[in-house]
Amino acid sequence: DSGVTQTPKHLITATGQRVTLRCSPRSGDLSVYWYQQSLDQGLQFLIQYYNGEERAKGNILERFSAQQFPDLHSELNLSSLELGDSALYFCASSRQVNTEAFFGQGTRLTVV
Amino acid sequence: GESVGLHLPTLSVQEGDNSIINCAYSNSASDYFIWYKQESGKGPQFIIDIRSNMDKRQGQRVTVLLNKTVKHLSLQIAATQPGDSAVYFCADPPFNAGGTSYGKLTFGQGTILTVHP
Repeated sequence: DSGVTQTPKHLITATGQRVTLRCSPRSGDLSVYWYQQSLDQGLQFLIQYYNGEERAKGNILERFSAQQFPDLHSELNLSSLELGDSALYFCASSRQVNTEAFFGQGTRLTVV
Repeated sequence: GESVGLHLPTLSVQEGDNSIINCAYSNSASDYFIWYKQESGKGPQFIIDIRSNMDKRQGQRVTVLLNKTVKHLSLQIAATQPGDSAVYFCADPPFNAGGTSYGKLTFGQGTILTVHP
């Protein structure tokens, strides 16, 4: 158990819908990362937050947004969902930005 | 950090053999690297890390070697076991610059390690 909690574990929704994925980082970790992993693909970096502030953006679609709350948990919002958004979404947290990041078990999103 | 890449997408070994997984990076300013293992359906799991002031670091059955001259690192797994079968990623966390940290922890494509009994 990495200490990073992601909910829900599985999510099935229809195209055009909006979902929210939640991540609780390890206790004391200030940095949160979000990744997308499609079938047979590597980990695509989406966005990173540090102590409530956005620090870096990857190839995150405009339909996707995220935030980190004062209690340091983070949410990833995916809207106007398309079939191609079906993937595993991982959250990771780290104490600081350049220390090891620990991953949650992911949310498997299926868009039908 | 900038992009990292892996030389081989797959590696098959016999149980008990040693495995070597390679990774190249492009950002000469990178000063910290992490290896992760990802089993099917699970999140990546931290294996070992190394900072640029070191050439080698050893863990339990794993060794990471860093060659800054050619911007290459490798993960060596001794006496590979079936439970080592997974995808292995190297990652390149951002570096600190003047107290400000940059995000974008990027991963290579991954090497699929298959261990045959």
